[in-house]
Amino acid sequence: DAGVTQSPTHLIKTRGQQVTLRCSPISGHKSVSWYQQVLGQGPQFIFQYYEKEERGRGNFPDRFSARQFPNYSSELNVNALLLGDSALYLCASSSPGGQSDYGYTFGSGTRLTVV
Amino acid sequence: EDQVTQSPEALRLQEGESSSLNCSYTVSGLRGLFWYRQDPGKGPEFLFTLYSAGEEKEKERLKATLTKKESFLHITAPKPEDSATYLCAVNTGFQKLVFGTGTRLLVSP
Repeated sequence: DAGVTQSPTHLIKTRGQQVTLRCSPISGHKSVSWYQQVLGQGPQFIFQYYEKEERGRGNFPDRFSARQFPNYSSELNVNALLLGDSALYLCASSSPGGQSDYGYTFGSGTRLTVV
Repeated sequence: EDQVTQSPEALRLQEGESSSLNCSYTVSGLRGLFWYRQDPGKGPEFLFTLYSAGEEKEKERLKATLTKKESFLHITAPKPEDSATYLCAVNTGFQKLVFGTGTRLLVSP
C-alpha cells in the first residue's frame, strides 16, 4: 500500500517566484496537514484540511495557501518566495476522524531552495 | 503558548549503552503525545502515541513513557541503526502537532 507521496522531491526557485507543492494521502485518509521544517528545527504546522475544508492554520503569512481536492490530494502554494522559505515541506495524512493510535503519517517531503 | 522542549539536543552513545531522551511539554489541553524518528532528508517516521499519564509503549529497543509534564524515550542496548533524530510532538487540537527541535542520536559501533 502506497504511503503519503509528495512531489516534486526537490526544487530550486528564485526570490519572488511562486511555487506549488503536491501531496497524495494514504488511500482512505481524508485529512491532510502541511508542515515546514527548517534545517535543524522541528516541523512547524502550516495548514490542516479535512474533507476539503480548512480546519487549522499556523502562524504563516498570507503568501502561503493550500487546498484539498475531491480525491483528498492537496496542494500547498507559496507566493512571492523569500530566502527564508527555504525548507523541507512535509505533508501528513491521518485516518478518518483525524487521529488514531498510528499517528500522522508523513511523506518524504519536498526540499525547496530559494536563491 | 503551547511548547515542547527536548533534551539533550545531541547524544552520542556506544553500541549497547542504554540512555533516555526527554520531552517536556506545556499545553492547554493534551490530545496525544507523539514520538517520531527522522533520518536525514526524510520525513518523520511514526513510533508511538501516548494519551494519559502513566501510559507506556514499547517497540523493539524503544520504550516511551508519559507523565503529566514530560515524556521519556528509553533506548535499551542501542545499535548503530538507531542513529537518527528523535522528535517529540503534542496534539493541541484541530490535528495541529507542535514539535520540539529534536534530539540527534549517534550510536557508535
